[in-house]
Amino acid sequence: RKEVEQDPGPFNVPEGATVAFNCTYSNSASQSFFWYRQDCRKEPKLLMSVYSSGNEDGRFTAQLNRASQYISLLIRDSKLSDSATYLCVVNKYSGAGSYQLTFGKGTKLSVIP
Amino acid sequence: NAGVTQTPKFQVLKTGQSMTLQCAQDMNHNSMYWYRQDPGMGLRLIYYSASEGTTDKGEVPNGYNVSRLNKREFSLRLESAAPSQTSVYFCATNGQRLLNTEAFFGQGTRLTVV
Repeated sequence: RKEVEQDPGPFNVPEGATVAFNCTYSNSASQSFFWYRQDCRKEPKLLMSVYSSGNEDGRFTAQLNRASQYISLLIRDSKLSDSATYLCVVNKYSGAGSYQLTFGKGTKLSVIP
Repeated sequence: NAGVTQTPKFQVLKTGQSMTLQCAQDMNHNSMYWYRQDPGMGLRLIYYSASEGTTDKGEVPNGYNVSRLNKREFSLRLESAAPSQTSVYFCATNGQRLLNTEAFFGQGTRLTVV
């Protein structure tokens, strides 16, 4: 089983739609969780961290279920500018003050006018 | 504030040639990473360095070597390039706070081996 697995995508949605991405991780020792956004031919950038109690940032809501080892991202009222690839990222402590980030393969979102 | 700077941005190599990808950060972070990204494969960790003077293998280290020259710089070397190493390479860095280990990436190096 891959360490981090995401919906295969791509997701093609109309403007204004609500879209949800799911992600599962296999290592129960994982400690921190993130969603990154990557635009075409650009570097990944942090979208938001994911906390156990769930967290919201404007139109974006992230949820974490540690028991099921499951992470989700909900985007409401999709904008054309949301078109990108969304990467689920899991961080674990690997000793000697080092953290290893493991990335899912990403889910591509296209928001259509 | 440059953040994470990678050079070069583009490179074409012939099979068997060698080259070094450079990465420098001005964020005073201890940890630095090299990833490669291939279509359909996502980002895969090649090597990482928890601190100056230490390096460890990641998921796909074969064919690569690294040097953590100082706290700011972490280089990736291809001794004898192969077509399978055609990829986009990203350097990243992050800090040490447990709940805030956001990684910052360089802009990437697009390498083609012919």
